[in-house]
Amino acid sequence: GDSVTQMEGPVTLSEEAFLTINCTYTATGYPSLFWYVQYPGEGLQLLLKATKADDKGSNKGFEATYRKETTSFHLEKGSVQVSDSAVYFCALIFWGEGAQKLVFGQGTRLTINP
Amino acid sequence: ETGVTQTPRHLVMGMTNKKSLKCEQHLGHNAMYWYKQSAKKPLELMFVYSLEERVENNSVPSRFSPECPNSSHLFLHLHTLQPEDSALYLCASSLRRGGVADTQYFGPGTRLTVL
Repeated sequence: GDSVTQMEGPVTLSEEAFLTINCTYTATGYPSLFWYVQYPGEGLQLLLKATKADDKGSNKGFEATYRKETTSFHLEKGSVQVSDSAVYFCALIFWGEGAQKLVFGQGTRLTINP
Repeated sequence: ETGVTQTPRHLVMGMTNKKSLKCEQHLGHNAMYWYKQSAKKPLELMFVYSLEERVENNSVPSRFSPECPNSSHLFLHLHTLQPEDSALYLCASSLRRGGVADTQYFGPGTRLTVL
């Protein structure tokens, strides 16, 4: 079945460092791809998405490009801030039995130190 | 209020209690979802409602009983839970438009502790 694999965490960086969180997927067809972020004590918020190959999603300085040839959707940010500390989830969406199904990776906890 | 709201935000219950979680969406969506987030597992899809009909039940124990009275409200009725059911329960909603898969928007979750 469809699945998502994220790099293992936790990840700890210093402020202003470059961030990459790897995400690869397995899917039949052409799913839409998402990154969600979960701040401490809160639910999931959509960070960015891409719906077709070579699309780049971007938001709040984060970017991810839908790479069909490598089945990847890696999350990047050029200069992280303490406020970026959170858990990041890669996800894909597909249709099954009349409704869309969101499949999540296991999440990567990111901590940014001042 | 906007977006997806969930009440209560925190719930502590004994194994013999009966309680309900409530979710409300103010986005005009027509599909709603329950997810379970445990400490050591990926997010698990529990139930999907599309146009107020249940279209997915991912082998969830019968002690969890969903209800979707209309497209804006979703409930999760709980009874005779086990301590391993302690988790964050997240509600989400989306717009179903033919074959197009649309973004799901999440509520803040209900942190459930079963004693």
